[in-house]
Amino acid sequence: GNSVTQMEGPVTLSEEAFLTINCTYTATGYPSLFWYVQYPGEGLQLLLKATKADDKGSNKGFEATYRKETTSFHLEKGSVQVSDSAVYFCALSNQGGKLIFGQGTELSVKP
Amino acid sequence: DGGITQSPKYLFRKEGQNVTLSCEQNLNHDAMYWYRQDPGQGLRLIYYSQIVNDFQKGDIAEGYSVSREKKESFPLTVTSAQKNPTAFYLCASSQSGGPYEQYFGPGTRLTVT
Repeated sequence: GNSVTQMEGPVTLSEEAFLTINCTYTATGYPSLFWYVQYPGEGLQLLLKATKADDKGSNKGFEATYRKETTSFHLEKGSVQVSDSAVYFCALSNQGGKLIFGQGTELSVKP
Repeated sequence: DGGITQSPKYLFRKEGQNVTLSCEQNLNHDAMYWYRQDPGQGLRLIYYSQIVNDFQKGDIAEGYSVSREKKESFPLTVTSAQKNPTAFYLCASSQSGGPYEQYFGPGTRLTVT
């Protein structure tokens, strides 16, 4: 079946540090991959996506590359800010539209 | 502006009462979804609907019911049969038929005492 595994949090970084949040997946076929962000008390916002192998999604300084050979979609940012503190969810979707989420990784950025 | 609205933001109920959470979208999406989120947890799918007048159970449908009489609306009823109803409930919508991204509402925090 389909599943998503994320690195466990919480992740605590200093401002301007480099961020990596690991995400690996198991899926049949060729899923689309997503990163969502959730700020405290809010719904989820789409951060970036990739729909086929070797695609790179990017937004607001965040990037992730769809690696079929390693079944991974790691989230990276070169220099985090305090305002990036949130919970990040990796997700996949196959035909049919349902999203399969990882458990989420909480990021805390200290000034 | 297009988007998804959920109301109310906070809801309090006594045990044994049914409660209905509202979800409306003006994105012209065919598919709509309800998720439950518990503290420190990921999202679990309760029900989803890919077209008006049709819906399917998700992973944790017991104790919940839905209806889809209009394209724009997908209300969720938390019944008294749901053993642990206190949670954060999120509604989402998407285009149907493919692996499209879902757009989420702001959520409703339900507390049952």
